[in-house]
This record gives sequence, structure tokens and C-alpha cells, in this order.
Amino acid sequence: EIVMTQSPATLSVSPGERATLSCRASQSVSSNLAWYQQKPGQAPRLLIYGASTRATGIPARFSGSGSGTEFTLTISSLQSEDFAVYYCQQYNNWPPTAFGQGTKVEIK
Amino acid sequence: EVQLVQSGAEVKKPGESLKISCKGSGYSFTSYWIGWVRQMPGKGLEWMGIIYPGDSDTRYSPSFQGQVTISADKSISTAYLQWSSLKASDTAMYYCARLLHKHIVNSAVDYWGQGTLVTVSS
Repeated sequence: EIVMTQSPATLSVSPGERATLSCRASQSVSSNLAWYQQKPGQAPRLLIYGASTRATGIPARFSGSGSGTEFTLTISSLQSEDFAVYYCQQYNNWPPTAFGQGTKVEIK
Repeated sequence: EVQLVQSGAEVKKPGESLKISCKGSGYSFTSYWIGWVRQMPGKGLEWMGIIYPGDSDTRYSPSFQGQVTISADKSISTAYLQWSSLKASDTAMYYCARLLHKHIVNSAVDYWGQGTLVTVSS
């Protein structure tokens, strides 16, 4: 079973600053990696799939990179609505049990 | 517009059975895998299992195999998640989730239901 590890657990960032979130897979998942954003009381929202493709309607300040076992989500200039929990998920192998444990992006 | 609309919150006692639903609209229900994701209070996301309504091919994550049953009725574009005997540890929010790419099981989730809160307490 593939294990996804996200770091850091919490990231404190000021509005307008850049945020860099990491996700590591215990074995290669190729580019079959997605990122989701979840705000309190809401369902998750797909941000990135295929490691680097933005989902429909996602602002350009969100970008994803990486392949194999190392992945990064970058938010270039944090807006107030971006403070949330972010999850990565591999879908290279079923079951895709592996969501990461999440990174909470909070206001510094 | 694609929508997944889930049934309402449930409060049950340990040992009771439960079936929650997720109705899809705005797309070809039989052409996309649809699954269930658990989120326990204050915790992360866990895939439970997934079904292809076109032929009812169903896959379960190892942790949930034998614990729940996933089904679908394509005539009414509805997927289900069912328990035969609930435990207090089943207390969680449950989301249905549609996969992004037609026919393909190895895919990200592009649409989510609003969630069904299940509370199991004596």
C-alpha cells in the first residue's frame, strides 16, 4: 500500500506571500497525483491533477510540480480565501487509499 | 451542471443498519466511477470504495472490505453506501465522489457530494 506523507503539517503564511507544500509517496506514482483544498464545513475541491494540471476554474496562482515520489503545490501569492487544509492523493494504483494527512495553511 | 446530492444526516444506535445515498445529475451516470470517502471528526480523508454504475464493478479499500457495501441503481442515477451493523467508530462525515475521467478508475475526483454526517451513539 502506498503511503503519502505531507509536510509541513501546518504552514503559517502572511497574505500575499508564497506557500510551498510538499507531498512524498512511498513508491513511485508517476504523475498520478492530485491536490485538493478543503475549508471547514465544506467538501474538498480539486485543485490539481496529473501532478501539474489545474482543474477547471482554479486560479493560476495555484501550481503543481513533481513526478515519481516527490511533489509540490505552490500558491504564488496567498489570498484570504486560500487559508484551508490541503491534501494530496495518489491515484496510480487502486485502491487509492492514500490521501496525505493534510497541510493546514494558516494566517501568520 | 454536474451535481452529486447526498441524503441527509443520520443519527443511529450501535448495531443498527443504515443506507445513505448519492444522486448524480448533469452527466452520464453510467460512464464514470463514483465512490465514497470517509472523514472522521477532525481527521483526514479516506477512500472506502468505488463502483462503476455501468456494470456494477465494485472495488473496496482493504480497511473497508467486509465492513460496508457499495451499490448503485443506474435507473435512478443513485449510488449507495450501506452498513449492516453500525459501530460508534463509524461516526463520520461521508462524501460521495465522482472520478474525473470517463471509464477510468485510476483518476482524481472532480465532483464531490455535500457530505452526509452519520452519528452513531447509544
